[in-house]
Amino acid sequence: GQNIDQPTEMTATEGAIVQINCTYQTSGFNGLFWYQQHAGEAPTFLSYNVLDGLEEKGRFSSFLSRSKGYSYLLLKELQMKDSASYLCAVMDSNYQLIWGAGTKLIIKP
Amino acid sequence: GAVVSQHPSRVICKSGTSVKIECRSLDFQATTMFWYRQFPKKSLMLMATSNEGSKATYEQGVEKDKFLINHASLTLSTLTVTSAHPEDSSFYICSAPGGGDTEAFFGQGTRLTVV
Repeated sequence: GQNIDQPTEMTATEGAIVQINCTYQTSGFNGLFWYQQHAGEAPTFLSYNVLDGLEEKGRFSSFLSRSKGYSYLLLKELQMKDSASYLCAVMDSNYQLIWGAGTKLIIKP
Repeated sequence: GAVVSQHPSRVICKSGTSVKIECRSLDFQATTMFWYRQFPKKSLMLMATSNEGSKATYEQGVEKDKFLINHASLTLSTLTVTSAHPEDSSFYICSAPGGGDTEAFFGQGTRLTVV
């Protein structure tokens, strides 16, 4: 079956760095997405990786290793507004998004 | 970027009534729309995939007679929760696929509360 695993919850300190991991097993692979979702709101797009390596975008970076079925989202210089759920999603061979359960990130002052 | 407009954002209805949720693609044609349900602190659960001009494809365990999906045009897909019950209370969200390296485009979501 298809499976996306990510930690349920993480806690970090304002100004610090946090890495949220995602491992996946899917039928085919057409890219991995990271989304941020604040409670009661729609997810917002953060990043897309289809090739191995690191993609940097401001304070956020995303890494992919296709051979290991592994990705992480790296958040630097954490701000209180970064408190949210972070969803990992993989696009399978049918171009359908398979969603992880999300990681709730709690930022403490 | 592409915009999907979802309406209403919040709705409270009585048990036994029906509620319609609309999703419109404002600046592009959406031949496919995904409908998700999300419980508190949970990820998105795909309910069904609507395709313009044809019947929706429902995921296992989703009652198609209860969650009626219509995709009558390339810019409008609707989800009707029929004979709603309190257990149907949830956050419903639609999204149009971006395809390939393009992000999915989400509606704003609808918070349904059945009392």
